[in-house]
Amino acid sequence: NAGVTQTPKFQVLKTGQSMTLQCAQDMNHNSMYWYRQDPGMGLRLIYYSASEGTTDKGEVPNGYNVSRLNKREFSLRLESAAPSQTSVYFCASSETGRDGYTFGSGTRLTVV
Amino acid sequence: LAKTTQPISMDSYEGQEVNITCSHNNIATNDYITWYQQFPSQGPRFIIQGYKTKVTNEVASLFIPADRKSSTLSLPRVSLSDTAVYYCLVVDTGRRALTFGSGTRLQVQP
Repeated sequence: NAGVTQTPKFQVLKTGQSMTLQCAQDMNHNSMYWYRQDPGMGLRLIYYSASEGTTDKGEVPNGYNVSRLNKREFSLRLESAAPSQTSVYFCASSETGRDGYTFGSGTRLTVV
Repeated sequence: LAKTTQPISMDSYEGQEVNITCSHNNIATNDYITWYQQFPSQGPRFIIQGYKTKVTNEVASLFIPADRKSSTLSLPRVSLSDTAVYYCLVVDTGRRALTFGSGTRLQVQP
């Protein structure tokens, strides 16, 4: 069982470049989430999708866009990367949003 | 949104029982408590969840007193592999996503 799969695992970008982080889950979950985690900190919610076809902003949405491509996939896009976006990005999914979340292994992004 | 307060760090030794207490003074009637564990370089992993009294699974126990203003995660006989960050969260049924705090960094020593 793959659970939540994130790609890539590592990425280095130059300031101003764009990229898309991919996330896919195989548990038929309705809700999906993107978090970022800075060193020594807890996770902060960027965007979430409570169900297919809907997306909502979290605590720190500025500089990001998301797409819920279908029930399985939820991508996160950085249009113009900034050094402040250097972080580890985690994707998660859950059946209802009120049950346990399953997290991916993360994407470590460095913006130089 | 119920704010949680938990110790920044804790130390223990292998074989001991570890209790991590979390306070959530303004928890609402329909909210419940959930705990996650995070190892370095990995995403958080769901451990346990409860509403009141005691919940036990193969990994941990969760104790919630009648007033529900606090909760205690109990890890029996910890091993080195239990070294991780533990997050206490209050699940607000009116919200659609979890809000993580800074967690408790547990260090288990031989």
